[in-house]
Amino acid sequence: ETGVTQSPTHLIKTRGQQVTLRCSSQSGHNTVSWYQQALGQGPQFIFQYYREEENGRGNFPPRFSGLQFPNYSSELNVNALELDDSALYLCASSLPLAGNTGELFFGEGSRLTVL
Amino acid sequence: RKEVEQDPGPFNVPEGATVAFNCTYSNSASQSFFWYRQDCRKEPKLLMSVYSSGNEDGRFTAQLNRASQYISLLIRDSKLSDSATYLCVVINTGRRALTFGSGTRLQVQP
Repeated sequence: ETGVTQSPTHLIKTRGQQVTLRCSSQSGHNTVSWYQQALGQGPQFIFQYYREEENGRGNFPPRFSGLQFPNYSSELNVNALELDDSALYLCASSLPLAGNTGELFFGEGSRLTVL
Repeated sequence: RKEVEQDPGPFNVPEGATVAFNCTYSNSASQSFFWYRQDCRKEPKLLMSVYSSGNEDGRFTAQLNRASQYISLLIRDSKLSDSATYLCVVINTGRRALTFGSGTRLQVQP
């Protein structure tokens, strides 16, 4: 196991609602990244947090926002949910230089269904 | 056009077979390359890094061709436990994120 835990594991929301997903990083890792994985696709980068600040962002609208806390845990918030937001949301923790090593440690994900 | 392209498969092969997956990337600024493995309904896990000189880890061999912007993964003596989706991954210079392909699904059959 990677030591990265995510909650909830599954949830169902309706269009227009808001959702908060949570992630606890692996011990010793101070960088957290969030990815969205739609069915049949590879994970797509949403954003990364390092020392409680956003440290990089993918091609996602502002209604996708996040936080990182002093203990390095993180939240992903999505407002005004759309049907296309239905996906597996993966949190990954790493050391800061994972951008070079490519080694991310993923949690098992939160599967969001938007009806 | 996607930045990282893979044949989605599925590749159905018998146990003991040798199978190869290919991947192409479009961004010439890509600097680092990896293969990840994802089991059904599980999280992705790093399988191996990919170097221009080629590298091997047991039954797995990865190769990078920078001139053709092409990455490969060869699996020898396939096992049932190799059944999974294999994701090609690149990191671009100056970016902090991994860019994933859509994955190639492998099914090893008895």
